[in-house]
Amino acid sequence: LAKTTQPISMDSYEGQEVNITCSHNNIATNDYITWYQQFPSQGPRFIIQGYKTKVTNEVASLFIPADRKSSTLSLPRVSLSDTAVYYCLVGDNFNKFYFGSGTKLNVKP
Amino acid sequence: GAVVSQHPSWVICKSGTSVKIECRSLDFQATTMFWYRQFPKQSLMLMATSNEGSKATYEQGVEKDKFLINHASLTLSTLTVTSAHPEDSSFYICSASLGGIQETQYFGPGTRLLVL
Repeated sequence: LAKTTQPISMDSYEGQEVNITCSHNNIATNDYITWYQQFPSQGPRFIIQGYKTKVTNEVASLFIPADRKSSTLSLPRVSLSDTAVYYCLVGDNFNKFYFGSGTKLNVKP
Repeated sequence: GAVVSQHPSWVICKSGTSVKIECRSLDFQATTMFWYRQFPKQSLMLMATSNEGSKATYEQGVEKDKFLINHASLTLSTLTVTSAHPEDSSFYICSASLGGIQETQYFGPGTRLLVL
């Protein structure tokens, strides 16, 4: 079962680009990489999912190198409302997600 | 799309009573639903996985007789906390998945349980 490692916390300022990197050395061939955002007392919210190279949607980009042993979530021009915990998970969607500690992003004015 | 609801959003009960939490996928049929528990300032802990029409699979350390899971249809799963005690007070979150290789989990808003 692939385990993920992320920084415990990060600080940023409004308007900056934030990159959160996750390592997953034991990722399996069938595993996808999924990122979630969680605000206090709410369920996690899906941000983005990818398998390889780069994926972009209206809120974020996900960069995955060729060896897929890590991935980077990129949030462009963060605002105060992006202050949350961000979780990186790997799995093949038939299996279970085991949440790591996540990265607590603190966006300052 | 991919909306998951939970009911109730919060509940307070006396020790020894049972509490039922509903999880519904509103706009899709979920092959698989998952139940998580989250204590303050901690990450989500997977409790069990349920597939429609079959028995739930519980994670190690989770008592199946205490946390009863019923997945009666492709849009509804219920978690019943039986004989609740104060240590069961937590934030319970469900998720639902279509189950296909490119389908991820979508989470409900969570249910806050406080056992007095």
